[in-house]
Amino acid sequence: KNEVEQSPQNLTAQEGEFITINCSYSVGISALHWLQQHPGGGIVSLFMLSSGKKKHGRLIATINIQEKHSSLHITASHPRDSAVYICAVSSGGGADGLTFGKGTHLIIQP
Amino acid sequence: DAGVIQSPRHEVTEMGQEVTLRCKPISGHNSLFWYRQTMMRGLELLIYFNNNVPIDDSGMPEDRFSAKMPNASFSTLKIQPSEPRDSAVYFCASSRHANTGELFFGEGSRLTVL
Repeated sequence: KNEVEQSPQNLTAQEGEFITINCSYSVGISALHWLQQHPGGGIVSLFMLSSGKKKHGRLIATINIQEKHSSLHITASHPRDSAVYICAVSSGGGADGLTFGKGTHLIIQP
Repeated sequence: DAGVIQSPRHEVTEMGQEVTLRCKPISGHNSLFWYRQTMMRGLELLIYFNNNVPIDDSGMPEDRFSAKMPNASFSTLKIQPSEPRDSAVYFCASSRHANTGELFFGEGSRLTVL
């Protein structure tokens, strides 16, 4: 079973700061997902990637398959980015059999 | 599209009672997933279906849990009898294809077993 570790567990930053959240996993994967969970509880998929880098607005996700590591970056952070960010990995190539990290609780202060 | 629809949003019940959670996936999505989220264990996959067929139920805790998908637009997760340790938020998610697709989550069903 894949072990998924996220760091940091908690992060508080000031508005405008550049944010990095890290995810490491123990076994080779086919796909990695970054999810966002807001205080209300709803979960939104941000990225699914298997190599390289993806960008969506102020969010950037990178993955290094050889090092079994992924990062989620937020540029020009804003209080509305405050949420729990969850990394999940799949051996099956997409969404099946996901193993989840415990999440990173991010607070952006104005 | 209405997104993934779950019901009920909240349920409070007493130990020993039967609980049924419901999910309507996004139309056209072939894969449906049931997850459980607790403070201690985070998100865990319980079971997923491809084209209404259960593919992986290794995450189902024990025989008290069962899930069905009688057709492409409806799934249920049943707990009988319920126990306090089943208290959690249960999420349903769907994707167009399990091995290529982005996940779309429902709002979750918060279950409290007293």
